[in-house]
Amino acid sequence: AQKITQTQPGMFVQEKEAVTLDCTYDTSDPSYGLFWYKQPSSGEMIFLIYQGSYDQQNATEGRYSLNFQKARKSANLVISASQLGDSAMYFCAMREPGANNLFFGTGTRLTVIP
Amino acid sequence: DSGVTQTPKHLITATGQRVTLRCSPRSGDLSVYWYQQSLDQGLQFLIQYYNGEERAKGNILERFSAQQFPDLHSELNLSSLELGDSALYFCASSGGTENTEAFFGQGTRLTVV
Repeated sequence: AQKITQTQPGMFVQEKEAVTLDCTYDTSDPSYGLFWYKQPSSGEMIFLIYQGSYDQQNATEGRYSLNFQKARKSANLVISASQLGDSAMYFCAMREPGANNLFFGTGTRLTVIP
Repeated sequence: DSGVTQTPKHLITATGQRVTLRCSPRSGDLSVYWYQQSLDQGLQFLIQYYNGEERAKGNILERFSAQQFPDLHSELNLSSLELGDSALYFCASSGGTENTEAFFGQGTRLTVV
């Protein structure tokens, strides 16, 4: 079974609008970490935001916030006030305790329209 | 800048050849991870080293091997290369605890012709 599922292969958003990128995960461990990365066309993987399973509040980093719904096992990324530079692939990832790597989803390609 | 350095950025080589990819982790990070990103397989975890020792193995082929040296830099060796090995190879490093983000290098784009 897929540990991380991103169901949106591509998304479009108007500049200055907010957009939500979906991510659901599958784990039986009560302790885990969830991550979002951005991969622009240049190829590098840029860490955006982290949410721990025991964190009481949703993580925020500038224009990025994580809508964490534990019971639904979802960790959606919200980007507010989209900018042209936000156009990129976005990957959701999870790490379980004892696991020594990040499981990645298949990614969502976001295109910001001027 | 993530602080993780990968060299070379691009590599073109012929089938059957052997190449070495190099990674310098962020200062203080003990864990190094290698990932392969191809169009049809997405991001695949290959192998992890922690402070010089192999910690975890993923979908790494027997033709591939890696090591981490005492100064914590790591090398990924790919041998008997095939066309299907063409991909973007990432190195990432982290502090080593479970819920610590991994910072990625810029990747090495390998093209096998």
